[in-house]
Amino acid sequence: ETGVTQTPRHLVMGMTNKKSLKCEQHLGHNAMYWYKQSAKKPLELMFVYNFKEQTENNSVPSRFSPECPNSSHLFLHLHTLQPEDSALYLCASSQDRAGEETQYFGPGTRLLVL
Amino acid sequence: GQNIDQPTEMTATEGAIVQINCTYQTSGFNGLFWYQQHAGEAPTFLSYNVLDGLEEKGRFSSFLSRSKGYSYLLLKELQMKDSASYLCAVRDSNYQLIWGAGTKLIIKP
Repeated sequence: ETGVTQTPRHLVMGMTNKKSLKCEQHLGHNAMYWYKQSAKKPLELMFVYNFKEQTENNSVPSRFSPECPNSSHLFLHLHTLQPEDSALYLCASSQDRAGEETQYFGPGTRLLVL
Repeated sequence: GQNIDQPTEMTATEGAIVQINCTYQTSGFNGLFWYQQHAGEAPTFLSYNVLDGLEEKGRFSSFLSRSKGYSYLLLKELQMKDSASYLCAVRDSNYQLIWGAGTKLIIKP
């Protein structure tokens, strides 16, 4: 248990569906991250929020829309996804963006797009 | 471009020692991390190196040479539960983590 929870753990959706992934951290951290993890590929950073402000958007398609209402919660809204978006989506948090800050990960949401 | 290289897969025997190498080419360097990820689970932090040398933490040790762009993770007295993927990540000059694809370690009895 890392102090970062994600729901749902598994999600199957069609290309016309709209769904949201939720992440919550209980560590009092100020930075939160969304990553995409595909088989045998490096973790891909998607979005970063620091003190509720989005600081990075690594050329992510607009069909992925993040939301960070407060420092403890992070959402990833999904719509009109493609089959190649099937992957493990990991949320992480850290105390801040700089220094020796270790990132703590949630268990991930395994997404399958049909 | 920025690049992290580590072997795709390694096999070792229970009770033995294994060394997982990581080489990196990044724009700047602000530390190197090793994470462990069991199948279907979250990556968990193992070690952090920012200065050259060896950091020991129980059965696990991590080494860094900044001049060579090289690190390794050393696992001693291997146990079956050490079967997992080991991820190397480097923080660049913008404090962004650049990740390797991970090394899948298989432990055999």
